[in-house]
Amino acid sequence: QQQVRQSPQSLTVWEGETAILNCSYEDSTFDYFPWYWQFPRESPALLIAIRPVSNKKEDGRFTIFFNKREKKLSLHITDSQPGDSATYFCAASSNYGNEKITFGAGTKLTIKP
Amino acid sequence: DAGVTQTPRHEVAEKGQTIILKCEPVSGHNDLFWYRQTKIQGLELLSYFRSKSLMEDGGAFKDRFKAEMLNSSFSTLKIQPTEPKDSAVYLCASSWGHQDTQYFGPGTRLLVL
Repeated sequence: QQQVRQSPQSLTVWEGETAILNCSYEDSTFDYFPWYWQFPRESPALLIAIRPVSNKKEDGRFTIFFNKREKKLSLHITDSQPGDSATYFCAASSNYGNEKITFGAGTKLTIKP
Repeated sequence: DAGVTQTPRHEVAEKGQTIILKCEPVSGHNDLFWYRQTKIQGLELLSYFRSKSLMEDGGAFKDRFKAEMLNSSFSTLKIQPTEPKDSAVYLCASSWGHQDTQYFGPGTRLLVL
């Protein structure tokens, strides 16, 4: 049972465009949502994270939009650069019950120059 | 501060062998995670320790996978007996708490023949 779903599986955009990566979840107790990125032949690393006290988190060209009612998030990457090409994982965890973190399957993003 | 270290970086095993993977978390981190990563299944949580106590033992991985945390600065993952389907990258990560940034090690690439 997949508790965190990501779409699309892969995405290609041109340099300078905005890439939009989607994430949805099922467990309403999830209250922490980090996004990790992973470059080829490297390990995942934290990119940006949000807690439901706010519906938006911005860090430079990267913005998370959060919709608690619909249990959806999206990661927007503005002015995409070829160096942004990576696999992006949406993850979620809860402070209640089972506190383990759950990762989505990832979106492979390719930025064409 | 040193990051998460994992040894060996590469391992080749025959079917049926026992292999032990090692991980040293970031000094002072309380939480330690073992993941398996494949292209098909993505990131799968194998084990999760908090302050050396096992919080999650990976469900379906219980029968042949055993993780231990002998002290706060060293963990092992034993696979016994290995099967070809175990071929994957095994990642160790650590964090201050379950909702803090996870720092991933470089991984061990396992090939089971």
